[in-house]
Amino acid sequence: DAMVIQNPRYQVTQFGKPVTLSCSQTLNHNVMYWYQQKSSQAPKLLFHYYDKDFNNEADTPDNFQSRRPNTSFCFLDIRSPGLGDAAMYLCATSRAGGFGDQPQHFGDGTRLSIL
Amino acid sequence: AQKVTQAQTEISVVEKEDVTLDCVYETRDTTYYLFWYKQPPSGELVFLIRRNSFDEQNEISGRYSWNFQKSTSSFNFTITASQVVDSAVYFCALVQAAGNKLTFGGGTRVLVKP
Repeated sequence: DAMVIQNPRYQVTQFGKPVTLSCSQTLNHNVMYWYQQKSSQAPKLLFHYYDKDFNNEADTPDNFQSRRPNTSFCFLDIRSPGLGDAAMYLCATSRAGGFGDQPQHFGDGTRLSIL
Repeated sequence: AQKVTQAQTEISVVEKEDVTLDCVYETRDTTYYLFWYKQPPSGELVFLIRRNSFDEQNEISGRYSWNFQKSTSSFNFTITASQVVDSAVYFCALVQAAGNKLTFGGGTRVLVKP
Protein backbone atom coordinates (compact mmCIF):
# COMPACT_ATOMS: atom_id res chain seq x y z
CA ASP A 1 0.00 0.00 0.00
CA ALA A 2 1.11 3.51 -0.75
CA MET A 3 1.97 5.26 2.45
CA VAL A 4 4.00 7.70 4.51
CA ILE A 5 6.70 6.02 6.57
CA GLN A 6 8.56 7.61 9.46
CA ASN A 7 11.68 6.24 11.04
CA PRO A 8 12.41 5.62 13.77
CA ARG A 9 9.14 5.27 15.68
CA TYR A 10 10.86 6.24 18.92
CA GLN A 11 14.02 8.27 19.22
CA VAL A 12 15.96 9.12 22.34
CA THR A 13 18.73 11.68 22.23
CA GLN A 14 20.78 13.65 24.67
CA PHE A 15 20.34 17.30 25.42
CA GLY A 16 22.22 19.26 22.77
CA LYS A 17 23.08 16.24 20.59
CA PRO A 18 21.93 16.64 16.97
CA VAL A 19 19.24 14.28 15.81
CA THR A 20 17.68 13.51 12.42
CA LEU A 21 14.21 12.14 11.82
CA SER A 22 13.29 10.70 8.46
CA CYS A 23 10.16 10.45 6.37
CA SER A 24 9.57 8.65 3.11
CA GLN A 25 6.50 8.40 0.92
CA THR A 26 5.32 6.19 -1.89
CA LEU A 27 2.39 8.44 -2.79
CA ASN A 28 4.45 10.60 -5.17
CA HIS A 29 2.97 13.71 -3.59
CA ASN A 30 4.48 17.11 -4.32
CA VAL A 31 4.12 18.53 -0.85
CA MET A 32 5.72 17.23 2.35
CA TYR A 33 5.15 18.69 5.80
CA TRP A 34 6.69 18.41 9.25
CA TYR A 35 4.58 18.95 12.34
CA GLN A 36 5.45 19.03 16.01
CA GLN A 37 2.81 17.74 18.41
CA LYS A 38 3.19 18.07 22.14
CA SER A 39 1.10 16.15 24.62
CA SER A 40 -2.62 16.99 24.50
CA GLN A 41 -2.09 19.63 21.83
CA ALA A 42 -2.89 19.94 18.17
CA PRO A 43 -0.12 19.43 15.63
CA LYS A 44 1.89 22.56 14.90
CA LEU A 45 3.31 23.05 11.42
CA LEU A 46 7.06 23.62 11.40
CA PHE A 47 7.65 23.84 7.64
CA HIS A 48 6.76 22.27 4.35
CA TYR A 49 8.25 21.60 0.95
CA TYR A 50 6.34 22.28 -2.23
CA ASP A 51 8.48 20.20 -4.57
CA LYS A 52 11.93 21.64 -3.83
CA ASP A 53 10.67 24.93 -2.50
CA PHE A 54 11.10 25.21 1.26
CA ASN A 55 8.49 27.12 3.25
CA ASN A 56 9.32 27.87 6.86
CA GLU A 57 6.72 28.93 9.41
CA ALA A 58 7.54 32.28 10.98
CA ASP A 59 7.65 30.90 14.51
CA THR A 60 9.73 27.80 13.80
CA PRO A 61 12.97 28.01 15.80
CA ASP A 62 16.25 28.12 13.87
CA ASN A 63 17.20 24.94 15.69
CA PHE A 64 14.91 23.06 13.31
CA GLN A 65 16.07 22.43 9.76
CA SER A 66 14.85 20.26 6.95
CA ARG A 67 16.16 18.61 3.81
CA ARG A 68 14.34 17.07 0.89
CA PRO A 69 16.87 15.35 -1.37
CA ASN A 70 14.21 13.91 -3.68
CA THR A 71 10.44 13.54 -4.04
CA SER A 72 10.27 10.52 -1.78
CA PHE A 73 12.34 11.56 1.22
CA CYS A 74 12.29 14.40 3.70
CA PHE A 75 14.40 14.83 6.84
CA LEU A 76 13.94 16.87 9.99
CA ASP A 77 17.19 17.92 11.66
CA ILE A 78 17.23 19.27 15.18
CA ARG A 79 20.65 20.82 15.65
CA SER A 80 20.74 21.18 19.43
CA PRO A 81 17.70 19.58 21.02
CA GLY A 82 16.44 21.09 24.23
CA LEU A 83 14.09 19.56 26.76
CA GLY A 84 11.26 21.57 25.22
CA ASP A 85 11.71 19.77 21.91
CA ALA A 86 10.47 16.47 23.32
CA ALA A 87 7.36 15.77 21.30
CA MET A 88 5.79 13.64 18.60
CA TYR A 89 6.97 14.68 15.14
CA LEU A 90 4.57 13.99 12.32
CA CYS A 91 5.35 13.93 8.64
CA ALA A 92 2.56 14.43 6.11
CA THR A 93 2.19 14.61 2.35
CA SER A 94 -0.39 15.95 -0.05
CA ARG A 95 -0.92 16.50 -3.73
CA ALA A 96 -0.38 20.05 -4.88
CA GLY A 97 -4.03 20.76 -5.52
CA GLY A 98 -3.46 24.47 -5.49
CA PHE A 99 -6.74 25.13 -3.76
CA GLY A 100 -6.12 23.67 -0.35
CA ASP A 101 -8.55 20.88 -1.04
CA GLN A 102 -6.13 18.00 -1.02
CA PRO A 103 -6.12 16.06 2.24
CA GLN A 104 -2.83 15.54 4.00
CA HIS A 105 -1.74 11.96 4.61
CA PHE A 106 0.19 11.42 7.80
CA GLY A 107 2.83 8.98 8.89
CA ASP A 108 2.76 7.20 12.26
CA GLY A 109 5.04 9.80 13.80
CA THR A 110 8.36 9.70 15.65
CA ARG A 111 8.21 10.23 19.38
CA LEU A 112 11.34 12.11 20.45
CA SER A 113 12.60 12.01 24.01
CA ILE A 114 15.43 14.18 25.32
CA LEU A 115 17.63 13.00 28.18
CA ALA B 1 -6.64 35.01 10.61
CA GLN B 2 -8.25 31.62 10.82
CA LYS B 3 -9.33 29.83 13.92
CA VAL B 4 -10.91 26.47 14.70
CA THR B 5 -12.50 25.82 18.07
CA GLN B 6 -13.42 22.45 19.49
CA ALA B 7 -15.03 23.35 22.79
CA GLN B 8 -15.23 19.79 24.10
CA THR B 9 -11.84 18.61 25.30
CA GLU B 10 -13.00 15.14 26.33
CA ILE B 11 -16.17 13.09 25.92
CA SER B 12 -16.78 9.78 27.62
CA VAL B 13 -19.58 7.47 26.45
CA VAL B 14 -20.62 3.88 26.85
CA GLU B 15 -20.48 1.63 23.82
CA LYS B 16 -23.45 1.96 21.45
CA GLU B 17 -24.20 5.51 22.54
CA ASP B 18 -24.10 8.25 19.93
CA VAL B 19 -21.56 11.03 20.33
CA THR B 20 -21.42 14.42 18.60
CA LEU B 21 -18.24 16.45 18.35
CA ASP B 22 -18.59 20.18 17.85
CA CYS B 23 -16.40 22.27 15.59
CA VAL B 24 -16.74 26.01 15.07
CA TYR B 25 -14.47 27.92 12.74
CA GLU B 26 -13.60 31.50 11.83
CA THR B 27 -12.26 32.66 8.50
CA ARG B 28 -12.54 35.69 6.27
CA ASP B 29 -12.22 33.61 3.13
CA THR B 30 -15.28 32.76 1.11
CA THR B 31 -13.66 29.60 -0.24
CA TYR B 32 -12.15 27.19 2.22
CA TYR B 33 -12.02 23.52 3.08
CA LEU B 34 -12.86 21.75 6.31
CA PHE B 35 -11.44 18.44 7.44
CA TRP B 36 -11.84 15.94 10.24
CA TYR B 37 -8.95 13.73 11.31
CA LYS B 38 -8.85 10.87 13.82
CA GLN B 39 -5.76 10.24 15.96
CA PRO B 40 -5.90 6.86 17.71
CA PRO B 41 -3.52 6.05 20.59
CA SER B 42 -0.97 4.71 18.09
CA GLY B 43 -0.38 8.31 16.97
CA GLU B 44 -1.04 8.58 13.25
CA LEU B 45 -3.57 11.10 12.00
CA VAL B 46 -6.19 9.47 9.80
CA PHE B 47 -8.09 11.56 7.28
CA LEU B 48 -11.87 11.14 7.66
CA ILE B 49 -13.59 13.73 5.51
CA ARG B 50 -13.14 16.91 3.48
CA ARG B 51 -15.87 19.47 2.80
CA ASN B 52 -15.61 22.63 0.71
CA SER B 53 -17.34 25.83 1.73
CA PHE B 54 -19.81 25.69 -1.13
CA ASP B 55 -21.12 22.24 -0.35
CA GLU B 56 -23.43 22.27 2.64
CA GLN B 57 -24.80 18.80 2.06
CA ASN B 58 -24.59 16.61 5.08
CA GLU B 59 -22.69 13.40 4.61
CA ILE B 60 -22.98 9.94 6.06
CA SER B 61 -20.33 7.26 5.89
CA GLY B 62 -21.25 4.16 7.80
CA ARG B 63 -21.58 5.13 11.46
CA TYR B 64 -20.06 8.56 10.81
CA SER B 65 -22.02 11.62 9.76
CA TRP B 66 -21.17 15.27 9.35
CA ASN B 67 -23.36 18.35 9.60
CA PHE B 68 -21.96 21.45 7.92
CA GLN B 69 -23.83 24.70 8.61
CA LYS B 70 -22.24 27.73 7.05
CA SER B 71 -24.70 30.08 8.77
CA THR B 72 -23.30 29.14 12.16
CA SER B 73 -19.75 28.35 10.94
CA SER B 74 -20.00 24.86 12.31
CA PHE B 75 -18.93 21.46 11.02
CA ASN B 76 -20.07 18.90 13.56
CA PHE B 77 -19.27 15.21 13.53
CA THR B 78 -21.48 12.43 14.91
CA ILE B 79 -20.50 8.86 15.62
CA THR B 80 -23.58 6.65 15.80
CA ALA B 81 -23.59 3.51 17.93
CA SER B 82 -20.06 4.13 19.16
CA GLN B 83 -17.56 1.30 19.53
CA VAL B 84 -14.45 0.93 21.65
CA VAL B 85 -12.33 1.28 18.48
CA ASP B 86 -13.70 4.81 18.10
CA SER B 87 -11.68 5.87 21.13
CA ALA B 88 -9.27 8.48 19.82
CA VAL B 89 -8.62 12.20 19.60
CA TYR B 90 -10.55 13.85 16.80
CA PHE B 91 -9.31 17.04 15.16
CA CYS B 92 -11.29 19.46 13.05
CA ALA B 93 -9.18 21.56 10.68
CA LEU B 94 -9.54 24.29 8.08
CA VAL B 95 -7.54 25.23 4.99
CA GLN B 96 -8.07 28.40 3.01
CA ALA B 97 -8.33 28.19 -0.74
CA ALA B 98 -5.00 28.62 -2.57
CA GLY B 99 -3.24 27.47 0.52
CA ASN B 100 -2.25 24.20 2.09
CA LYS B 101 -1.71 25.06 5.72
CA LEU B 102 -4.06 23.22 8.06
CA THR B 103 -5.38 25.21 11.00
CA PHE B 104 -6.29 22.63 13.62
CA GLY B 105 -8.74 22.85 16.46
CA GLY B 106 -7.54 21.75 19.86
CA GLY B 107 -8.96 18.26 19.45
CA THR B 108 -11.62 16.30 21.33
CA ARG B 109 -10.66 13.10 23.10
CA VAL B 110 -13.40 10.47 22.82
CA LEU B 111 -13.34 7.58 25.23
CA VAL B 112 -15.77 4.77 24.51
CA LYS B 113 -16.17 2.38 27.39
CA PRO B 114 -17.34 -1.21 26.88
